[in-house]
Amino acid sequence: EVQLVESGGGLVQPGSPLKLSCAASGFTFSSNWLNWIRQAPGKGLEWVASINPDGSSTYYPDTVKGRFVVSKDNAKNTGYLQMNNLRSEDTAMYYCARRLWGVMDAWGQGASVTVSS
Amino acid sequence: DIQMTQSPASLSASLGETVTIECLASEDIYSNLAWYQQKPGKSPQLLIYDASSLQDGVPSRFSGSESGTQYSLEINSLQSEDAATYFCQQHHDYPNTFGAGTKLELK
Repeated sequence: EVQLVESGGGLVQPGSPLKLSCAASGFTFSSNWLNWIRQAPGKGLEWVASINPDGSSTYYPDTVKGRFVVSKDNAKNTGYLQMNNLRSEDTAMYYCARRLWGVMDAWGQGASVTVSS
Repeated sequence: DIQMTQSPASLSASLGETVTIECLASEDIYSNLAWYQQKPGKSPQLLIYDASSLQDGVPSRFSGSESGTQYSLEINSLQSEDAATYFCQQHHDYPNTFGAGTKLELK
């Protein structure tokens, strides 16, 4: 069974860093892209990062470029999202998802991030 | 960036009815469109990919179609478990963008 489990969420102050983890199982993690998607409370979905199977290429929207860094450790079957200089508008539920041919066919349960003083 | 204009924002329908949700892309996305269902407190689930291909395990009452840059999700014979929010997503180009969502309520 394909499974993705996020961890590392929490309450942080503006300007602080936070690192999310995404533990994968049930599939060949090293052969798959990984996406991070977020959803602000009561709002829609926003793509925030993509990383290719070997981790050599990453992609971000302008809203997080330069602040967020996506990575993956294929030996540990784990993906990461390092978030720096967090802002109140980054408050959201963060999901990791397996990307297959561009679409996200498996999602984690989400990690809640709250940025507030 | 490619804009995905999704409509309606909400709709209410009765059990057994058929509903259609639409997404209009701001430019050609060459069928690179997916539909997701999200129930309250849950993560999204893939329903349709490549505009009209049904994801494994998704009931056949869900179907997708396209006409130019207009993409549609149709749900036939509505069931109570179909109450959810539905999102479209284009993956033709970065940034991948989503529609704003359609909240479907069952009467």
